[in-house]
This record gives sequence, C-alpha cells and structure tokens, in this order.
Amino acid sequence: DAMVIQNPRYQVTQFGKPVTLSCSQTLNHNVMYWYQQKSSQAPKLLFHYYDKDFNNEADTPDNFQSRRPNTSFCFLDIRSPGLGDAAMYLCATGLGPQAGEQYFGPGTRLTVT
Amino acid sequence: GDSVTQMEGPVTLSEEAFLTINCTYTATGYPSLFWYVQYPGEGLQLLLKATKADDKGSNKGFEATYRKETTSFHLEKGSVQVSDSAVYFCALSDIGGSNYKLTFGKGTLLTVNP
Repeated sequence: DAMVIQNPRYQVTQFGKPVTLSCSQTLNHNVMYWYQQKSSQAPKLLFHYYDKDFNNEADTPDNFQSRRPNTSFCFLDIRSPGLGDAAMYLCATGLGPQAGEQYFGPGTRLTVT
Repeated sequence: GDSVTQMEGPVTLSEEAFLTINCTYTATGYPSLFWYVQYPGEGLQLLLKATKADDKGSNKGFEATYRKETTSFHLEKGSVQVSDSAVYFCALSDIGGSNYKLTFGKGTLLTVNP
C-alpha cells in the first residue's frame, strides 16, 4: 500500500541536543509538509517543500530546519530542542495545486528531557 | 484570510446515537472541504471530502454536504460506535491558486460510551 512513513515513532532527546526526524513516502507526491501538533490542538504547519522548493511559514522558529534530498524523503532537524518543542511531529504529502487533500504519516512523538 | 470554525467539544454520546459536528468556513476562493479523524496517538486520516457545492462526501457511515449558501460542511453519522471515539478536524484547502495548504478547525473530541 502507498503510504507515508515516519521514523522513529517515539524520540527522546536532551535539552539542546540536535535531533532529526525522518519521513518517507511511496505516493510520489510533489509536496511534503511538516506539522507540529501539541496536545489538544490542531496541527500547525512549520514548512513544506513543493518538489525542491522550500517554503517556510513566517512564524516557524529558526531552530527548525528541513531537508528534502529526493522525492521520497524529507527530514526535520531541530537544532537545539527546548522543552517547548516537545510535541507530535506530523509529516504529510499532497499533490499541491492539483488536489487539496493531504496524506499524513503516523507521527513522531518527541520528548525533550 | 481563510478560516474554519467547528463545534467545540468534547462531545460524549452513547453507542448508536446520532452524531452531528458543525463546521463553517470562510474562504476567499472556492475551497475544497475535508474532514480528518485522529485516533489517540496516531496521525490524521482523511475521512471524507467534497470539492464543489452540493457535493456529499461519505465514508464509513459518515457524511458531510458542501453547502455554499451557508458556508457549512457539517459531519453526521446515524449510529456511532465506540470505535468512532477520536478527534475530528474540519479543514479547507483553497486550491486553484498558489495556496495548497490546509486550514484546520480546532478539532472536536468525540467519546462514544458503550
């Protein structure tokens, strides 16, 4: 089945220690998105890639970076995690202007100690 | 800008009860509308969608009709099950332009008791 995969499902990191979350897709979609979701809230878009074009949301902290080395993979790098960065991180894919729906991975739950 | 307003929860129902979760939207263009469901500890799953006025999206017994005149997309199910307990998000995407992001409502927590 075509899908969006996120690894790991649970990640524990220390305050200030860089961490990378990964996402891969077999849907061959043009667009890949990263969201942050805190408890009892809607997902908050951090940034997205349309093919190789990177689009950062205006309020995304500089601490968050992303890489997309190819169509299938996308990474979220948190350079110096703070306690406030503990959250669920969701990766999603979509076709962009052709269709509005997005397809989400299962998420990575990040804990910062 | 675009926005989605949905019924605040939590909503608690008994099994086999009728469910309605209200959702209204504002959009500058002509959006596509979606309902997503999120089970505990999981990502969001697309439940149903509608892309134009009077379209009815349906899946797993859930339905929602795109009402342009009332700018609404209410989610309904005739008989809920315990397994429907989850958070439901209404969302829109104003496609056709350069915006292909989702605008989400705040989510509604549904708990179904046996």
